[in-house]
Amino acid sequence: ELKVEQNPLFLSMQEGKNYTIYCNYSTTSDRLYWYRQDPGKSLESLFVLLSNGAVKQEGRLMASLDTKARLSTLHITAAVHDLSATYFCAVGGYGGATNKLIFGTGTLLAVQP
Amino acid sequence: NAGVTQTPKFQVLKTGQSMTLQCAQDMNHEYMSWYRQDPGMGLRLIHYSVGAGITDQGEVPNGYNVSRSTTEDFPLRLLSAAPSQTSVYFCASSYGLNPSEQYFGPGTRLTVT
Repeated sequence: ELKVEQNPLFLSMQEGKNYTIYCNYSTTSDRLYWYRQDPGKSLESLFVLLSNGAVKQEGRLMASLDTKARLSTLHITAAVHDLSATYFCAVGGYGGATNKLIFGTGTLLAVQP
Repeated sequence: NAGVTQTPKFQVLKTGQSMTLQCAQDMNHEYMSWYRQDPGMGLRLIHYSVGAGITDQGEVPNGYNVSRSTTEDFPLRLLSAAPSQTSVYFCASSYGLNPSEQYFGPGTRLTVT
């Protein structure tokens, strides 16, 4: 059974600081998604990581994938208040089909001024 | 393109009532899915479809029915609503068996009293 664990579940950080969100998954998958969700809104796609060693960056966010360790990280550099949101990782592969996603429980990020 | 649309945005039902949540996409995507989001649990897959006339169950299918008569539409039916089905429901669509991205609708917030 595919399980996805995120930590931390809640992260309060000051503006200007760096931090990393971790996403571990239990079985083999070569497709890892990161999403952002603002309160009361839908999910916004941030990154799709498709292979071992993949690294993608957009602004202050950088995501990486290590398929051997079954680990993805979302690194936040010099946080700003606008990054406050809930971040989800999701792994493709439920039931053997990569278009079906298993989500982590999410990380609520609060960036304090 | 309107992308993925969902109606209604909000709905309150009484226990035992039935209703249909609507989902439509105009991107000619083969794959469509329904997820529910509960506090602290991330998103969980209810049902999915790989094309018109083809549907299958996800992680939490009990209490829900789906059908896919056209490529564009993928309605979710609650036959006899229960308080445990109080949740936010998201529809998603994607193209191809190994999609680089899934597109999520705006969500339907359902309360069952």
